[in-house]
Amino acid sequence: DGGITQSPKYLFRKEGQNVTLSCEQNLNHDAMYWYRQDPGQGLRLIYYSQIVNDFQKGDIAEGYSVSREKKESFPLTVTSAQKNPTAFYLCASSKSSSGANVLTFGAGSRLTVL
Amino acid sequence: QQQVKQSPQSLIVQKGGIPIINCAYENTAFDYFPWYQQFPGKGPALLIAIRPDVSEKKEGRFTISFNKSAKQFSLHIMDSQPGDSATYFCAANSGYALNFGKGTSLLVTP
Repeated sequence: DGGITQSPKYLFRKEGQNVTLSCEQNLNHDAMYWYRQDPGQGLRLIYYSQIVNDFQKGDIAEGYSVSREKKESFPLTVTSAQKNPTAFYLCASSKSSSGANVLTFGAGSRLTVL
Repeated sequence: QQQVKQSPQSLIVQKGGIPIINCAYENTAFDYFPWYQQFPGKGPALLIAIRPDVSEKKEGRFTISFNKSAKQFSLHIMDSQPGDSATYFCAANSGYALNFGKGTSLLVTP
């Protein structure tokens, strides 16, 4: 079955540590996205990538970094510079990034900073 | 800055009722307005979507009403069921990614 796989599902981090969240898709989608979800805040865009080896900052990119070396993969690193990293992180992909771009989401990764 | 404003934040209806969730936007360049449904611990999934050239779209028990002049759109769930209990997000396409509302937590009681 085609879809998006995020791992790990749960992650605990000590303050000052960088962590990387994995996102893999087998949908042959060109565009990939990372959103952050906090209670009552909706989904906020962190980074997005329209093609391999290219990505752009979203609304809340500070303290995060990404790479897009392969079409299927779009890992997100939460750095120690992110002041409040505890959240639910959602990866998504779409065939393209313009027009009626239907997003397919992964099941999410919940990061907790201890 | 929230580009899509969604209300109410939470909603409780009895089975068979018709919950209505409202969204408003300012950017007239938005040209695609989807609704996503999210169950606890899962990622959101597309429920229904509309383009601004139509005023209404129905898919099963779900209806989107769109008012282009008022820059508002809403989701109606007919004959709601306990299985519809979820968080609903409206969104609008800004050309490169979707801008989401803050979400509405819907509870349908038996």
